[in-house]
Parts: sequence; structure tokens; C-alpha cells
Amino acid sequence: GQNIDQPTEMTATEGAIVQINCTYQTSGFNGLFWYQQHAGEAPTFLSYNVLDGLEEKGRFSSFLSRSKGYSYLLLKELQMKDSASYLCAVRDNNAGNMLTFGGGTRLMVKP
Amino acid sequence: EAQVTQNPRYLITVTGKKLTVTCSQNMNHEYMSWYRQDPGLGLRQIYYSMNVEVTDKGDVPEGYKVSRKEKRNFPLILESPSPNQTSLYFCASSLRGGHYEQYFGPGTRLTVT
Repeated sequence: GQNIDQPTEMTATEGAIVQINCTYQTSGFNGLFWYQQHAGEAPTFLSYNVLDGLEEKGRFSSFLSRSKGYSYLLLKELQMKDSASYLCAVRDNNAGNMLTFGGGTRLMVKP
Repeated sequence: EAQVTQNPRYLITVTGKKLTVTCSQNMNHEYMSWYRQDPGLGLRQIYYSMNVEVTDKGDVPEGYKVSRKEKRNFPLILESPSPNQTSLYFCASSLRGGHYEQYFGPGTRLTVT
């Protein structure tokens, strides 16, 4: 099985930068995804990492270290609309093509 | 418009009464899956399908059935629902498995009394 850990909640200020961490344990790592989910809505795709390093996409960046089983999502220039849950998900070669999600990090952005 | 649709969006039912939640996508995606989302437990995969007539169990398949007779449809069947299946259900699809992003449907909130 897989174990994926993320902080349950975080709070940050509008305009600031926040980093959401995700650690995982898996036997056959085959990619890590970040999704955003606003309350009562469906998750939407943010980023995908399969090789070590940083992937940048506008205000959002995602980093992966496979040797450490670690990823983070970096959100810059925070806006109120960034208040949402952020879900880390890992795909494992040894678990068919299943995608396993962490419990999600609920981010509250304050003025 | 490219989308994943689910029906119904809300359903209240009683224990033991068979129900089906439909899922359809118009993007010609090969991969489809079903998740349930519960407070404190996150999204958990129920079943997934790599293509027509190919389905596999996810993390929590007990009490559910699926079928994939056509590429666009992937219904979730609860033969005898129980209160512990009260949850928020999401259907998702992607071009293929692997590194492709998944597109999620709007969700179905099911309550079993």
C-alpha cells in the first residue's frame, strides 16, 4: 500500500507565498499530481511531476524529490480565491494504475 | 464542451434498494474511475477502467460494481446500499492512465438511511 501525508490545515495572508508539503511512501513510484478542490466542487488538476525538480506554471510551482519521497506545492502572490483544499496524489506501478490521494490540505487565505 | 457528467447529483435512498449512478465523458478518454470522498479520509478509489471491458478494483471496492460496455460510460452500481456508503462520489476520466491528468465530474452526494 501507499502512505501519503500532508498537513491538514494551513493559513496564509493575501499576497504572501505558501508552501504545502507532501511526503509519500510507495514501492513503485510513477508520478505525483497536485489537485485543487474548492468546497463542494470537483478537484481540478494543477500539476504533475515524475522527474526530480521544479515545475512552474504561473503562480503555482511543484517540486519533487523521489529519493526523499517528498513534494511541495508553492503558491505565490496568494489571492483570496486560492482558499481551497490541495490534494497530493501518487501513482504506483506496483498497484496497477491506481491513483492514491492524500487527505488534502485545507488552505485559508486571509486579507 | 468537454466534460464529465454524473447523475443524479443528489440522492437519498434506503438500505438495500439497488441504485446506479451514471457517469459519462465526451472526450474519448480511455481511462475512467470512481472515487468516494469522506471527511478525514480524503479521496479513495473504488474501481477504475483502463478501456472498454477492462475494469479493476481500487482501494475500497466492497459493496460496489461497475461496468464498461462503451468507452464514454462508466456506471457505478450499489446492489444493496448500506449507511456506510453515504458519501460524496466522483467520477473521473483521463486520456489514458499513467501521467495524464484526470478530469472530475461534479460529484454525487449519496445518503443511505
